[in-house]
Amino acid sequence: KAGVTQTPRYLIKTRGQQVTLSCSPISGHRSVSWYQQTPGQGLQFLFEYFSETQRNKGNFPGRFSGRQFSNSRSEMNVSTLELGDSALYLCASSTGDLDGYTFGSGTRLTVV
Amino acid sequence: AQSVTQLDSHVSVSEGTPVLLRCNYSSSYSPSLFWYVQHPNKGLQLLLKYTSAATLVKGINGFEAEFKKSETSFHLTKPSAHMSDAAEYFCVVSEIYTGRRALTFGSGTRLQVQP
Repeated sequence: KAGVTQTPRYLIKTRGQQVTLSCSPISGHRSVSWYQQTPGQGLQFLFEYFSETQRNKGNFPGRFSGRQFSNSRSEMNVSTLELGDSALYLCASSTGDLDGYTFGSGTRLTVV
Repeated sequence: AQSVTQLDSHVSVSEGTPVLLRCNYSSSYSPSLFWYVQHPNKGLQLLLKYTSAATLVKGINGFEAEFKKSETSFHLTKPSAHMSDAAEYFCVVSEIYTGRRALTFGSGTRLQVQP
């Protein structure tokens, strides 16, 4: 079966712009989580959506937001980009139970 | 609150020798524990998971981990390292807290395998 699909794979944006990243989970998975990975901070949890509702949120500023659609696809938006937002953004899907998460290959965002 | 400590940032072994990657956790509730592997420029792949069943968990590619509640540890082992095991490994703790799930990653251990 198809895995978790993240688009685009690479993005270059200018400081102050906004960006939208997309994640299509495995078919049947209702939970989508987002993570930011940087060399300095490691992997940090952004938020989790389950059945279109945000179920949990990490410690990120309000510039980071997300949503989930009825087909479980999720988008993450970052407004007013800063240089420090440059990172690999990973999406993970699961059934919502404690059975582990399947990760996508990520979107590498570079802010210049 | 939950936390994960991976005790080694780098581990280097020779091909064919055992691998031990150490992980300690802290959790107020009964946790679920996972090990993930990340190869360069790739996403994360689930190696194994503990969810309160057997304390010795077997995963993919010959890896296994033992949940030791008294030591709050979940160390990852493999009897014989292969060159393809060179990657970064993350220990992850997840707990259900008031109906919401929190997921915390360790800082990672980079495994080098020498020929």
